[in-house]
Amino acid sequence: AQRVTQPEKLLSVFKGAPVELKCNYSYSGSPELFWYVQYSRQRLQLLLRHISRESIKGFTADLNKGETSFHLKKPFAQEEDSAMYYCALGYSGAGSYQLTFGKGTKLSVIP
Amino acid sequence: DSGVTQTPKHLITATGQRVTLRCSPRSGDLSVYWYQQSLDQGLQFLIQYYNGEERAKGNILERFSAQQFPDLHSELNLSSLELGDSALYFCASSALGYEQYFGPGTRLTVT
Repeated sequence: AQRVTQPEKLLSVFKGAPVELKCNYSYSGSPELFWYVQYSRQRLQLLLRHISRESIKGFTADLNKGETSFHLKKPFAQEEDSAMYYCALGYSGAGSYQLTFGKGTKLSVIP
Repeated sequence: DSGVTQTPKHLITATGQRVTLRCSPRSGDLSVYWYQQSLDQGLQFLIQYYNGEERAKGNILERFSAQQFPDLHSELNLSSLELGDSALYFCASSALGYEQYFGPGTRLTVT
């Protein structure tokens, strides 16, 4: 069975400090990993996916298959980064594609 | 705006009652997913429909059911409501599978 673990419920950092949101996964197949973000009073939206290897809003995430991790990083946190972040694992099975989400980490950037 | 709409925004009802939540996917998206978001469980996948057919089931209770209509909108029916069913219910739609576009959610309060 697939599982996504985000060990931190809440992460507080000062503006300008580096940020790392942890995500570990468990999946027997070849994983597809994503980060979704939910800003206050807004809907959940895709931030980035591992397959594109891009940087969005200064955030990057590298898939480490050896450590089964997909941590989200940003070198210098901004106040507007304060939001709820969800790591998700995508997989195909029985004719459908699904996402399993972690429980989320609330990032609070202190001015 | 993701293009996914959900109604109503808020719903307050009593235990034992039945409610229907509605979701309209983005134009052209054939897949609709339903999720339940609660404080302690995070984002839990409930059920997926593709072009009118049920494709996958997650942690959906027997008291809950869903359907997708020919115009592709979907409804989630929750019956015999309990206090623990109070949560945010999101729907998402997708065309390609991996990128799901989320609606704003329906906040259900059971009193």
